[in-house]
Amino acid sequence: AQSVTQLGSHVSVSEGALVLLRCNYSSSVPPYLFWYVQYPNQGLQLLLKYTSAATLVKGINGFEAEFKKSETSFHLTKPSAHMSDAAEYFCAVSEDTGGFKTIFGAGTRLFVKA
Amino acid sequence: DADVTQTPRNRITKTGKRIMLECSQTKGHDRMYWYRQDPGLGLRLIYYSFDVKDINKGEISDGYSVSRQAQAKFSLSLESAIPNQTALYFCATSEVAGGIIGEQFFGPGTRLTVL
Repeated sequence: AQSVTQLGSHVSVSEGALVLLRCNYSSSVPPYLFWYVQYPNQGLQLLLKYTSAATLVKGINGFEAEFKKSETSFHLTKPSAHMSDAAEYFCAVSEDTGGFKTIFGAGTRLFVKA
Repeated sequence: DADVTQTPRNRITKTGKRIMLECSQTKGHDRMYWYRQDPGLGLRLIYYSFDVKDINKGEISDGYSVSRQAQAKFSLSLESAIPNQTALYFCATSEVAGGIIGEQFFGPGTRLTVL
């Protein structure tokens, strides 16, 4: 069965600094991996997804993530944080066993300091 | 117009009351989901439906029931609400195309408070 662990429930960075949000997964078959973002009082929206093509995936708003099979990781990065990046970020895994059910991590709240 | 809508957006109710949360989508997706979000726990799957005749329990289905009235409509019911069902509830849709799972599209959420 698949599972997702997000390291750090809260991450704080200064504006202009590197953003690194960590995600490790467990899956019995090649996984599909997603990062979603949730802004206050809104639903989740997709940042990027990995579906077994390129291991480095580029998403919206300058975010990217790298799939590392040997480390079972899919960390999210952005070179330079902006105040508007303050939100909660969720990593999710889905696998093709019994219909692609998706499991979400507990989330990481990103704070950006001026 | 939003692709996935939820009604109501906010609801306060009392213990023991029956509550229905409704979800409609215009994306034409077969798959629909209900999640609840609690601080520090992320999203937990309550029920999911892969088509109108296929409904499945998620990890936390106790105390909830669902109805898939049409491809576009998926309702969640709390038969007898209790305070620990106070949470933010999300409906979502997705599709599988070419054997690849697509992203999930989320509604804006329903904030439910059970007193």
